[in-house]
Amino acid sequence: EVQLVESGGALIQPGGSLRLSCAASGFVVSVNYMTWVRQAPGKGLEWVSSIYAGGSTFYADSVQGRFTISRDNSKNTLYLQMNSLRADDTAIYYCARLFPPTNTKGGGLIDYWGQGTLVTVSS
Amino acid sequence: SYELTQAPSLSVSPGQTARITCSGDALPKKNAYWYQQKAGQAPVVVIYEDNKRPSGIPERFSGSASGTMATLTISGAQVEDEADYYCYSTDSSGHHGVFGGGTKLTVL
Repeated sequence: EVQLVESGGALIQPGGSLRLSCAASGFVVSVNYMTWVRQAPGKGLEWVSSIYAGGSTFYADSVQGRFTISRDNSKNTLYLQMNSLRADDTAIYYCARLFPPTNTKGGGLIDYWGQGTLVTVSS
Repeated sequence: SYELTQAPSLSVSPGQTARITCSGDALPKKNAYWYQQKAGQAPVVVIYEDNKRPSGIPERFSGSASGTMATLTISGAQVEDEADYYCYSTDSSGHHGVFGGGTKLTVL
């Protein structure tokens, strides 16, 4: 059974740093595409970052240069290092598996989601 | 940055057809995905790669794409279909994801 369990969410002051973890079971993180999606309270979904099986990483403009996605193959765990946090980073952060498209049109199917972890940036 | 546009809300009566649209300049060449999110839950995919339905998703859900618009159709909407629906795609690079703003579907 595929499971994704996020942890690391917390109340943090503006300008601070936080690392989110996503422990995966039922599949191997390193040979899959993985992604982080966030949702601010009462707002819509926002794609944050993706990492491909080959190691390529991609970021939304809103977090480029502040967030870093990575993985630990030995722990089968995905991470999101978040620096220089701002109030508008406040959200539930979901870890998810991104199944590659079956055609050449890009994207990918987010087929498994974690339960989410809440990050609150406030003084 | 690239954007996908959805109407914020749609209301239909039970049994009616609900059509939720998503527009974006890159959609002619990029896959569209549709996610259903009910209150307090993680999203669930209902349509992928424009018009494919995952196993376990009722047949009343269908998807189509034409030009710069993708459409999610719920034929004979049920009360249990009340949810927020998000389209998802990528920019022209194919690597930067983007969600539409979401459409709140009310069935009553």
